[in-house]
Order: sequence, then structure tokens, then C-alpha cells
Amino acid sequence: GAVVSQHPSWVICKSGTSVKIECRSLDFQATTMFWYRQFPKQSLMLMATSNEGSKATYEQGVEKDKFLINHASLTLSTLTVTSAHPEDSSFYICSGRGPSSYEQYFGPGTRLTVT
Amino acid sequence: AQSVAQPEDQVNVAEGNPLTVKCTYSVSGNPYLFWYVQYPNRGLQFLLKYITGDNLVKGSYGFEAEFNKSQTSFHLKKPSALVSDSALYFCAVNMDSNYQLIWGAGTKLIIKP
Repeated sequence: GAVVSQHPSWVICKSGTSVKIECRSLDFQATTMFWYRQFPKQSLMLMATSNEGSKATYEQGVEKDKFLINHASLTLSTLTVTSAHPEDSSFYICSGRGPSSYEQYFGPGTRLTVT
Repeated sequence: AQSVAQPEDQVNVAEGNPLTVKCTYSVSGNPYLFWYVQYPNRGLQFLLKYITGDNLVKGSYGFEAEFNKSQTSFHLKKPSALVSDSALYFCAVNMDSNYQLIWGAGTKLIIKP
């Protein structure tokens, strides 16, 4: 099946710093990539949808200047959490969708802890 | 409003018994339905999907789900549960041309030896 990787798998950063999370589709071209946030024991919350070469579409309530998403190629999307605060601590998951697929293929997630 | 409901926060089943994890949906048009499983501190793994065709869909790890249009349900089932099936299960429906998924709240499945 299609494989999506995320890097890093976990990261600890200090409040006020920025952290970048990479999402790569390893064996398919991801026309669309999605970024989710998941709080403990809760469902996934869609943060934004990005199509390759276009600006990301952010969900209501998600600050686009704080969560910068870049989808520069069909195999790479990045999420940068700028000026991180402890409340940004969460599990971030990306997924990719191929050009003719209804399925989303998920990365293993990144655990972000802001101290 | 379009939504997906998983009415049970947790399901407990003894190993070897059949299991059912419930999912109902409320959408306009024809839904594309999915089940995903999540193990602790891991991303989601695809189990199965219904797009069209046979209402009974077979997926990974011996799971299956039945699409019931009249009841707007897509319950996940397995004839004989394994302890290793213990995980968090999410039902989702695909809605628009951008292929965004609407997610259920998740059901924690606990299989006891």
C-alpha cells in the first residue's frame, strides 16, 4: 500500500521557537495533503488541506500565520508551528491522497511537546 | 449538517467472540465510507472502504463492514476477536471533491483474554 512518512516522530521545543514537521509520500504522488491535530483520546481535527503548488486551505479557527503549510512538491508537505506555545503541544498527523484515489494514506504522526 | 456518529466510546469483547463497532452517518448524496484503526501513539491505518457495489466489504486483519443505506449505517465487524485488535477505531465519510473526510469520534475497542 501507499506509504507516508513523517519526520520527526517526536519533538520537544521551547516556548517561542518554531518547529517544522515534514510529511512525505514515499511511493505515490500526493495531489492533496491534509494536516490533522489530535488531542488525547479524541478524534482527528482537520487543520488544513493543501494541493500541490497551491496555498493551503485552513479550517475555521486554525491560524494560518501560526501553522504554516507548504506543499511544494507532489511528495512533500511541511507544517511549521511558529512561535510555539505549550497549548500547541499535540499529536500532528498528515495524510496524502493520490490523484485518482478516494483514500487518504496517513503518516505515523508527530508528537510535539512545547515546554 | 453532515456528520458521522460512533455511539459507543468503548466496546469490550472477550477474545474469540464476535465484535461490532457501530457507525452511522448523516450526509447528502452517496457517501464513501471508511474505517481506520489507530494503535497508541501511531498514525491511522486503513482497514476498509465502501465506494459502490457489494454492501458487504471485506478489509484488513479479518475485518468487514456492511453498508446499510436504509439505516445509514456502516458497522465494523469481525467474527472472532483477537487481543491484538485492541485499539481505537474511527469511521469516516468522504464528502466533497477535495476528498476531505468527516470523522466519527472514535471507539476504543478492548479485547480481553
